Amino acid sequence: DGGITQSPKYLFRKEGQNVTLSCEQNLNHDAMYWYRQDPGQGLRLIYYSQIVNDFQKGDIAEGYSVSREKKESFPLTVTSAQKNPTAFYLCASSTPGTGRNSPLHFGNGTRLTVT
Amino acid sequence: ILNVEQSPQSLHVQEGDSTNFTCSFPSSNFYALHWYRWETAKSPEALFVMTLNGDEKKKGRISATLNTKEGYSYLYIKGSQPEDSATYLCAFIGQAGTALIFGKGTTLSVSS
Repeated sequence: DGGITQSPKYLFRKEGQNVTLSCEQNLNHDAMYWYRQDPGQGLRLIYYSQIVNDFQKGDIAEGYSVSREKKESFPLTVTSAQKNPTAFYLCASSTPGTGRNSPLHFGNGTRLTVT
Repeated sequence: ILNVEQSPQSLHVQEGDSTNFTCSFPSSNFYALHWYRWETAKSPEALFVMTLNGDEKKKGRISATLNTKEGYSYLYIKGSQPEDSATYLCAFIGQAGTALIFGKGTTLSVSS
């Protein structure tokens, strides 16, 4: 079955450590996205990529970095510069283009806790 | 700053009740409006992508309407069932937008 796999489901890190969240898709989608959810807030866009080797900042990119070396993979690194990293992170993909009028397909998310 | 508002924030209905909730979005430079259902412990699932003013889409007991001139969309659930319990998200994208802007969602709880 095609889909998006995020790993791990739960992640715990000490403050000051960088951590990388994995997102892999086998849907052959061009565009991939990272969203963050906090309690009482809507999903907020961190980064997105429309094509391999290219990505753009979303609304809350500070303290995060991404890479898109392969079509299937879009890992997100939460750096020590991110002031409030504890959150639920969702990865999504779509085709064609930027998900403007094609639906997003989501992974199951990673809950990151930083203490 | 573009804002997408959903109301109510949550509601609780009995099995068999019909219900509806609202998504408000900027009425200018509209491109598309998405609806997603997010069940607990699962990933969000796309319900509808709507692009035309006056459009109405249906999927089983769930339907949605769109008014781009006044900037709102309604999601209707006819004869709610416990399996309809979920958070319903709407997301807007404008003509110049490059990514969806999500509302905070409406959480529906259906008791049997």
